[in-house]
Amino acid sequence: AQSVAQPEDQVNVAEGNPLTVKCTYSVSGNPYLFWYVQYPNRGLQFLLKYITGDNLVKGSYGFEAEFNKSQTSFHLKKPSALVSDSALYFCAVRVSNDYKLSFGAGTTVTVRA
Amino acid sequence: GAVVSQHPSWVICKSGTSVKIECRSLDFQATTMFWYRQFPKQSLMLMATSNEGSKATYEQGVEKDKFLINHASLTLSTLTVTSAHPEDSSFYICSASRINTEAFFGQGTRLTVV
Repeated sequence: AQSVAQPEDQVNVAEGNPLTVKCTYSVSGNPYLFWYVQYPNRGLQFLLKYITGDNLVKGSYGFEAEFNKSQTSFHLKKPSALVSDSALYFCAVRVSNDYKLSFGAGTTVTVRA
Repeated sequence: GAVVSQHPSWVICKSGTSVKIECRSLDFQATTMFWYRQFPKQSLMLMATSNEGSKATYEQGVEKDKFLINHASLTLSTLTVTSAHPEDSSFYICSASRINTEAFFGQGTRLTVV
């Protein structure tokens, strides 16, 4: 079985401040980890992924995430948040031989001007 | 990147009627597609796995006779909500994947049953 936990329902930061959205996972085998962002009434947009290689992954719109195997975490970070980053963020995991994704509950990010 | 197109973006239908939602992979062949349901400000709930040329695999608790899935080609999967009722109102999202890549999601369909 595989699962994802996003411990924070909401994250609020001021524009220009660092943004962190937490994610921990549980899988049997090597994880494929993903971050997606969703704006109201829209599908999910891909931000970044970890499959193999460097633990620090850089993605779209200035986001990055660090894969930490010992802590089974994959936290999303952005050094300087923008108001336009306000959205719903999902962490997801799957294993290599299965396309089925497991999603976290989602974290609503609000960046205030 | 790969594109998955979902149509319609929104639909309003009368209670008791059926609604079909299409999901197309525009620039790659997808032997497997997924259908999700999402309630407001909640996560995606996997409804079923759509397999090209064979029957869909439904998650526990999802009524297969109510949510008919057809994956007739490598680029098209359809979800038909039969005899829709107000409780079926929701946001439905499809996705498709290629080997060793991220999943690509459709734009979503807002279904309102009145």
